[in-house]
Amino acid sequence: DSGVTQTPKHLITATGQRVTLRCSPRSGDLSVYWYQQSLDQGLQFLIQYYNGEERAKGNILERFSAQQFPDLHSELNLSSLELGDSALYFCASSVRGRASTDTQYFGPGTRLTVL
Amino acid sequence: AQSVTQLGSHVSVSEGALVLLRCNYSSSVPPYLFWYVQYPNQGLQLLLKYTSAATLVKGINGFEAEFKKSETSFHLTKPSAHMSDAAEYFCAVSEGDTDKLIFGTGTRLQVFP
Repeated sequence: DSGVTQTPKHLITATGQRVTLRCSPRSGDLSVYWYQQSLDQGLQFLIQYYNGEERAKGNILERFSAQQFPDLHSELNLSSLELGDSALYFCASSVRGRASTDTQYFGPGTRLTVL
Repeated sequence: AQSVTQLGSHVSVSEGALVLLRCNYSSSVPPYLFWYVQYPNQGLQLLLKYTSAATLVKGINGFEAEFKKSETSFHLTKPSAHMSDAAEYFCAVSEGDTDKLIFGTGTRLQVFP
């Protein structure tokens, strides 16, 4: 158990819908990362937050957005869902978000299926 | 941009045999390099990481990796495979100023009795 929690574990929805994925980082971690794992794209970095502020952006679609709240939990919002958005979405957290000193701990993921 | 290439999407070994999973990186600056393992239906777990302190890095579960700048490689090894090592292994590099992880395509390790 990494200490990072993600809910829900599974999500099945239809095209065009909107969903929210939730992540609670490890206690004391200020930085949260979101990654997408799909068969065709592999593991891709989406976005990073540090202490409530966006720090880095990766291959995140405009239909997707995220935020980190004052209690440090984070939500990833996916809207106008398409079949290709079906994937495993991971959240990771680290203390300060510095690879030289920190480790990113991954949650168990949310499996999204778009029908 | 930094990247990593994992050679071999599938590797099969017998229990007790040497495990060698290959990773080559591309980076214009000294990189931070990582190996993660993903067991079926689980998240990723850090095996080990290189942050320039020592070229031979020892990780969990008996794994180690050696950073070779001349070969731009960071191959993962384990002297003797166990059945429990069967999983998918990902090499990753960190982009220093943003600290996001750039992952390779993964190598699925099968261990036969």
